[in-house]
Amino acid sequence: NAGVTQTPKFQVLKTGQSMTLQCAQDMNHEYMSWYRQDPGMGLRLIHYSVGAGITDQGEVPNGYNVSRSTTEDFPLRLLSAAPSQTSVYFCASSYSFGGLAGAYEQYFGPGTRLTVT
Amino acid sequence: AQKVTQAQTEISVVEKEDVTLDCVYETRDTTYYLFWYKQPPSGELVFLIRRNSFDEQNEISGRYSWNFQKSTSSFNFTITASQVVDSAVYFCALTNSGSARQLTFGSGTQLTVLP
Repeated sequence: NAGVTQTPKFQVLKTGQSMTLQCAQDMNHEYMSWYRQDPGMGLRLIHYSVGAGITDQGEVPNGYNVSRSTTEDFPLRLLSAAPSQTSVYFCASSYSFGGLAGAYEQYFGPGTRLTVT
Repeated sequence: AQKVTQAQTEISVVEKEDVTLDCVYETRDTTYYLFWYKQPPSGELVFLIRRNSFDEQNEISGRYSWNFQKSTSSFNFTITASQVVDSAVYFCALTNSGSARQLTFGSGTQLTVLP
């Protein structure tokens, strides 16, 4: 298994440009999510999906769109990039390891470092 | 609302010293999970441990040990006889039964182990 893959690894955009960060997983996990990591702030949830066709907003959704047409893929779209979106983006998928409610294990991708100038 | 606080922004130790990374959390749920992740300079997130809210037993794994105390809402992480390869950012995270698959992260502690 490749696990969670993300492309590209690095990207530089100019303000106002659009792009899509790709995320794919081959573990048949229903749940996928996007986080951003900023210095001194840990990781914050952007959007998540509990299955194909179902998405919802996290803590910091503004400026980002997502869709989930298949179980495997969960792309993150920036429609009009802004310097405030300069960050490292992590995609994650999760499964239940059983036991108590809430017993989910998250697998993180390697991250995409995005710079918006 | 959930919150995870890692008050130590940066810690620097000399190799072979012991070091403890603090994590304090807030949640209204009675069922929740706590995690520690390591982020080395290469940038990936490496899972270290998870602990559920009903299991307060301390855990030791090689040079790593974790002390979970519900009475003080803390889940501290100790590295014994630190090594240069332990240099990384360490994150504590929390999830609960309500938004079970969403992790709330602390801001991280940058650990530097000097040779």
